Formats: sequence, structure tokens, C-alpha cells
Amino acid sequence: GESVGLHLPTLSVQEGDNSIINCAYSNSASDYFIWYKQESGKGPQFIIDIRSNMDKRQGQRVTVLLNKTVKHLSLQIAATQPGDSAVYFCAETGGSQGNLIFGKGTKLSVKP
Amino acid sequence: NAGVTQTPKFQVLKTGQSMTLQCAQDMNHNSMYWYRQDPGMGLRLIYYSASEGTTDKGEVPNGYNVSRLNKREFSLRLESAAPSQTSVYFCASSGQVNTEAFFGQGTRLTVV
Repeated sequence: GESVGLHLPTLSVQEGDNSIINCAYSNSASDYFIWYKQESGKGPQFIIDIRSNMDKRQGQRVTVLLNKTVKHLSLQIAATQPGDSAVYFCAETGGSQGNLIFGKGTKLSVKP
Repeated sequence: NAGVTQTPKFQVLKTGQSMTLQCAQDMNHNSMYWYRQDPGMGLRLIYYSASEGTTDKGEVPNGYNVSRLNKREFSLRLESAAPSQTSVYFCASSGQVNTEAFFGQGTRLTVV
């Protein structure tokens, strides 16, 4: 069936280090992927997206990598800051209803 | 910029009571969604509306009904609340299905 999962449910990093959050997806027909950030008590917030015709996309301090061969998605955060502490979700399109399918999330904790 | 606005933010219901969660967006988006978020389960789609005048079931529609009142508003109704519906509910909107979705701040619902 369709599923989006995460390799690491929790990640603790030192302030200033780079963070890498991983995500596996199973629907090879998915053609659009999004990373969301969710802070405690708030709704998910868009970070960056990538379409299946790309391997890499960069934003401000964030990079998303897509490996379609192994159906793997990653989010890289450069120079991680305390404000980056949150739960990060990957999401893919290609659900049977045409909707976004979300992974279970990875909690990122940044130590000062 | 208001974006997606949900009301109420918190609600406690007794089993069997009914209530309607309200959602409005001011981004002129065609598509709107209702998700529920439970610990360890990520976000799961309840219902969505690809455009004004249409609604479709998502992954977990049982116990819920929706109304796309107009392009701006999409409400979620619980006719007879059950403890299993205790969750955080998020409304979202996007320009079209399979694109970036913008989320509201959520409604934390407890059914006792």
C-alpha cells in the first residue's frame, strides 16, 4: 500500500551542526514531495518542496534531496539553530484520492 | 495575512454531542482539506474538497461530514462524538490538489 515513513523518529544535534532528516516513500507514482515543519501547538508550516523531475532543490539553509531509485527523500538543514527544533514531516502526493500522504514525523532537538 | 483560520481552538465534548469545526481561507484557493493528527500517526486525511461544490472522502471519513459552504469556507461536522475522535484537527487549503497545502493552527478536541 501507499506509505511514507521516516528512518529516524528523533534527532538531537548541536547548535551550529548540520542536520539530516530522512524519509522513505513507497509509491513510485508520487511526483511531488514536501517537507513541513511543525512547532509545538501549531499547524504544519511549509519548508521546501521538490518535483520528481529534480534530484535536488535548495532553499535558505535547507536542501531537499530526492533519490527516486531507492525512493528516498532527505532534508538537510545547515547550521542548525535552536529555532529549528520542531517535528519535521515529509509528504508525498500520489494518494488514491489525489491527496498528500504524510509520514509520521521526526522530532529535531537542537542543543545550545 | 490570515491564511487559514480555524475555530474553535479548543473544545471538550461529551460522548454523543455534536459540533461543527469551522475553517476559512483568504488565499482564493480551490482545494481545502480536513486532517486529524494523533500521536504516532502523523496527519490523516478525513475529507477534502477539490473545488467549490465538491467533497470527497479521505482516509478516515467515518463519523464525520463536511460542507464546502463557498470557496472560502469548509466545515467539518461530528454528528455524535466518540472518544476515538479525540484528536487535533487541522484544516488546510491549496491552489489545487497535489500542490503545497497551507495549514491552520488546529483545533484540539477532547471527547469524554
